[in-house]
Amino acid sequence: NAGVTQTPKFRVLKTGQSMTLLCAQDMNHEYMYWYRQDPGMGLRLIHYSVGEGTTAKGEVPDGYNVSRLKKQNFLLGLESAAPSQTSVYFCASRPTGNYGYTFGSGTRLTVV
Amino acid sequence: GQQLNQSPQSMFIQEGEDVSMNCTSSSIFNTWLWYKQDPGEGPVLLIALYKAGELTSNGRLTAQFGITRKDSFLNISASIPSDVGIYFCAGHERFGGSQGNLIFGKGTKLSVKP
Repeated sequence: NAGVTQTPKFRVLKTGQSMTLLCAQDMNHEYMYWYRQDPGMGLRLIHYSVGEGTTAKGEVPDGYNVSRLKKQNFLLGLESAAPSQTSVYFCASRPTGNYGYTFGSGTRLTVV
Repeated sequence: GQQLNQSPQSMFIQEGEDVSMNCTSSSIFNTWLWYKQDPGEGPVLLIALYKAGELTSNGRLTAQFGITRKDSFLNISASIPSDVGIYFCAGHERFGGSQGNLIFGKGTKLSVKP
């Protein structure tokens, strides 16, 4: 069982470049989430999805877009990367009725 | 938005010591969860609590759902070196705040005493 898989694991971007982070889960979970983790800030919710074809804004959505075209995939896009988006990004998923999130192993993004 | 107060922020452990950490909120929660994050990895669920007063163990870990529904505690007995990492509390508000999503504490970082 792969669980939640994030790709890539590491990436360095130049300011202004764009990229997409992919999250894939094989547990048939309805809910999916994107978080960023910064030192001393804990986990902050960027966007989330309550099911295929739906997305919603979290606590820190500015500068990011998401799509959930297929139930198993949740994509996080950065259209024009900024140094402030240097962070570790985590994807998580959960089934309906259970708040035990399963997390991926993260993507470490550096914007220079 | 709603914040969880998790303490301590960091602590040093010596092998064999017992460790305690806690989380408090300003609102009532109906679910409390504790996660551990190893370096370079994502958080992994340790214990989930669903009832006020509930006390649940997972090996050397014991967690409690406070009877006020506004706090939770995690204890680690007889710590070992592999216990180092960051421990997060998380909760779900009873009355549907935070868009129904989990709220996370900022973590307690466990390190080995030099």
